Amino acid sequence: GQNIDQPTEMTATEGAIVQINCTYQTSGFNGLFWYQQHAGEAPTFLSYNVLDGLEEKGRFSSFLSRSKGYSYLLLKELQMKDSASYLCAVTDSNYQLIWGAGTKLIIKP
Amino acid sequence: GAVVSQHPSRVICKSGTSVKIECRSLDFQATTMFWYRQFPKKSLMLMATSNEGSKATYEQGVEKDKFLINHASLTLSTLTVTSAHPEDSSFYICSARGQGITEAFFGQGTRLTVV
Repeated sequence: GQNIDQPTEMTATEGAIVQINCTYQTSGFNGLFWYQQHAGEAPTFLSYNVLDGLEEKGRFSSFLSRSKGYSYLLLKELQMKDSASYLCAVTDSNYQLIWGAGTKLIIKP
Repeated sequence: GAVVSQHPSRVICKSGTSVKIECRSLDFQATTMFWYRQFPKKSLMLMATSNEGSKATYEQGVEKDKFLINHASLTLSTLTVTSAHPEDSSFYICSARGQGITEAFFGQGTRLTVV
């Protein structure tokens, strides 16, 4: 079966760094997405990885290892507004999006 | 990025009535549209995938006669919740993807409350 695992909840301190991990087992792979979702709102796109390595975009970076079926989202210089759920999603061989359950990130002052 | 507009953002309806939710891609042609449902504090649950001009593919457990999806043009898809009941109250979100585009863009979501 297809499966995406990510922690349910994480807590971090304002100004610090946090890494949210995602592991996946899918039938084929055509890219991995990270989305941010604030409560009551639709998800917004953060990053896309299809090749191994690190993609950096401002305070957010995303890493992919296809051989390990593993990705992480790294958030630096955390701000209170970063409190949200972070969703990992993988596109399989049929280009269907498989979603993780999301990681709720709580930022404390 | 591309813009997907979903309307209405909130709707309250009486039990037994039908509600239509529209999803429009404003600046690109959406060859594929996805409809999701999300319960509080839960992740997105894919309901169906629709390709322009063809019937929607529903996920297991989703009643196709209750959740009618139409994707008649490259810029518009609609989800109609027929004979709505209180248990249909949820957050419905559409997303759209264009030909050759890897990223799916999300609409703003519709909060449906059935009373």
